[in-house]
Amino acid sequence: GAVVSQHPSRVICKSGTSVKIECRSLDFQATTMFWYRQFPKQSLMLMATSNEGSKATYEQGVEKDKFLINHASLTLSTLTVTSAHPEDSSFYICSASLLRTGDQETQYFGPGTRLLVL
Amino acid sequence: AQSVTQLDSHVSVSEGTPVLLRCNYSSSYSPSLFWYVQHPNKGLQLLLKYTSAATLVKGINGFEAEFKKSETSFHLTKPSAHMSDAAEYFCVVSPFSGGYNKLIFGAGTRLAVHP
Repeated sequence: GAVVSQHPSRVICKSGTSVKIECRSLDFQATTMFWYRQFPKQSLMLMATSNEGSKATYEQGVEKDKFLINHASLTLSTLTVTSAHPEDSSFYICSASLLRTGDQETQYFGPGTRLLVL
Repeated sequence: AQSVTQLDSHVSVSEGTPVLLRCNYSSSYSPSLFWYVQHPNKGLQLLLKYTSAATLVKGINGFEAEFKKSETSFHLTKPSAHMSDAAEYFCVVSPFSGGYNKLIFGAGTRLAVHP
C-alpha cells in the first residue's frame, strides 16, 4: 500500500517551454502532497507543500510564479515548471501523506522525475 | 532548532558483513524519526519509523534502528549486507510526533557493498 507515482519519469525540453509533472497517490487519499528538488549527490530540498483545494505553501526562495502547483484532488497534484531554463534541470520528487489520523507525518515518495532543459 | 546529522557521508562494507549508518538528531520536542533509502535515479522508500513506542524499530529488508534519547541517536543497522543494499540512505526527523509537519532531512550516507 501507499504507492505514489509520478509522470513523466524523464523529460527533456527546450529552454523557454513549460513542463508539467504529475504526482498521484494510487491506493490512498493524500491529505497533503509535497514537492522536493534534489541536486546531484545532495539531499532533498522542500519546494512547496500543497493541500487539496487550497493554495500551495512555498518555501523561502522558491518562485511561486515559476513553479506552479495545483492540487485538484486528494490523489493528484501537479507541478508546472514555467518558462524552463537550464538551471531548472534537476530531479523532482513528490511525496504524499495519508488522509487518516495517526500517520499524517509519514511521507510516501514518488519515483521522481528527471528534468533536463536544453 | 531541529536538525539531523548523518555522521558519515560514505560507508563501504563487504557483502555479508554488518552495516552501521549513524544518525544524530536535535529536537526540542518528542520527534518521530525515519530512515529512507534511495536507489540511483529512484524516489525514496521508507525503511522504518520510530514514533515513541518501542525504542528498537524493525524495518524492511532486515534493517533495524535503535532510538537512544540520552545519546540523541537513531543509528541504522543490518547484520549482514547484501549487494542490493548499495544505495543512499537518509535519516529524517519529524519534529512533532503525530500530525503534519515538515520533514528535516540529513545529508545522506552513501552505502557501497563490495563482493
